[in-house]
Amino acid sequence: DARVTQTPRHKVTEMGQEVTMRCQPILGHNTVFWYRQTMMQGLELLAYFRNRAPLDDSGMPKDRFSAEMPDATLATLKIQPSEPRDSAVYFCASGQGQGFYEQYFGPGTRLTVT
Amino acid sequence: SQQGEEDPQALSIQEGENATMNCSYKTSINNLQWYRQNSGRGLVHLILIRSNEREKHSGRLRVTLDTSKKSSSLLITASRAADTASYFCATSNAGNNRKLIWGLGTSLAVNP
Repeated sequence: DARVTQTPRHKVTEMGQEVTMRCQPILGHNTVFWYRQTMMQGLELLAYFRNRAPLDDSGMPKDRFSAEMPDATLATLKIQPSEPRDSAVYFCASGQGQGFYEQYFGPGTRLTVT
Repeated sequence: SQQGEEDPQALSIQEGENATMNCSYKTSINNLQWYRQNSGRGLVHLILIRSNEREKHSGRLRVTLDTSKKSSSLLITASRAADTASYFCATSNAGNNRKLIWGLGTSLAVNP
């Protein structure tokens, strides 16, 4: 049963600290997405990659957020320095194909910045 | 900015009843998808309907699409307590096949 995995599942950190979230997409999927979900804003696309190349990161605050895919089995999202307003659930999703078809979501990382 | 807007924001029904949720969007689309999110979990894809389709079924789910009204509906028949979740629509826009644009969701509670 192929699944997207994310680590950590929960993270509590103090303002100013670096946070790294990791995602393992489903093997064979060529597209990886990072989303942030809050009650107020709903689901926001932060960045996505196709064949490991970043295609769009316009939803991401560039001064503090960065997203990478060091290899096809790992995607990372970093926040440095973190701020309380970054508190949210961060989801990774993967998909296959050139078009925009179904996405498979990981369980999410719940981030709390105090 | 959000493309899809689900309606209602929250819905509470009894087990066995049907649940209908609506989604409106603003621009031309390639396809529209519905996802479910259980509390504390990631989203799960339910069904995709292409812009040239008008209706699609999957088990107890029925999705309709009216491109002239830029709206879609998701019908869950004979609801169960396990259907309690939030339901989201997402659109893939014509001419910009790169992103899914998400609504804020409908929270469905099915009472036993």
